Amino acid sequence: DAGVTQSPTHLIKTRGQQVTLRCSPKSGHDTVSWYQQALGQGPQFIFQYYEEEERQRGNFPDRFSGHQFPNYSSELNVNALLLGDSALYLCASSPELYLGEQYFGPGTRLTVT
Amino acid sequence: KQEVTQIPAALSVPEGENLVLNCSFTDSAIYNLQWFRQDPGKGLTSLLLIQSSQREQTSGRLNASLDKSSGRSTLYIAASQPGDSATYLCAVHGSSNTGKLIFGQGTTLQVKP
Repeated sequence: DAGVTQSPTHLIKTRGQQVTLRCSPKSGHDTVSWYQQALGQGPQFIFQYYEEEERQRGNFPDRFSGHQFPNYSSELNVNALLLGDSALYLCASSPELYLGEQYFGPGTRLTVT
Repeated sequence: KQEVTQIPAALSVPEGENLVLNCSFTDSAIYNLQWFRQDPGKGLTSLLLIQSSQREQTSGRLNASLDKSSGRSTLYIAASQPGDSATYLCAVHGSSNTGKLIFGQGTTLQVKP
């Protein structure tokens, strides 16, 4: 049973560029959340998707957007990259909206230069 | 606003020692609490999930307790091993109608052989 998978593993972008990160949830899970983890900090909630809709959003600007596909996989898009967007981006899946234990993927390390 | 604090930020112990990691939260109205392990540059591995109605959960050498009234949780690690070296994060799930986890900043544990 595959767990949560994310791609790519690492990414280097230049300020002002756009980036797309991808996530496939654990089998049987239909809810996907995204978190940003800066170095030495705990993860910060970005948003959560269920039934292809954004259900809840954290304190992140509109430059951060997402999408969920019919197969429950998800993308995180960040436009107009800033140096401060450099972080580990974590995807988590759970078997139901809001409730249930969350399972995290290995993350995508984004470096903005 | 819910805030989660973990003290100490770092801990170094000799192999074989029993140890306790602390997590405190400001709002006692939580749905559940999860403890995670994170190895350097990696994703999060869920260790234990404690529902708000529970007082503790055990898995192998790990025991997590929850005292909602005092806003505290502890993770007890018995007979520590060098392989336990990692960052340990606690996260609070605030209510049944949110999927957002609120994380502490973590405690980085080093177990010396």
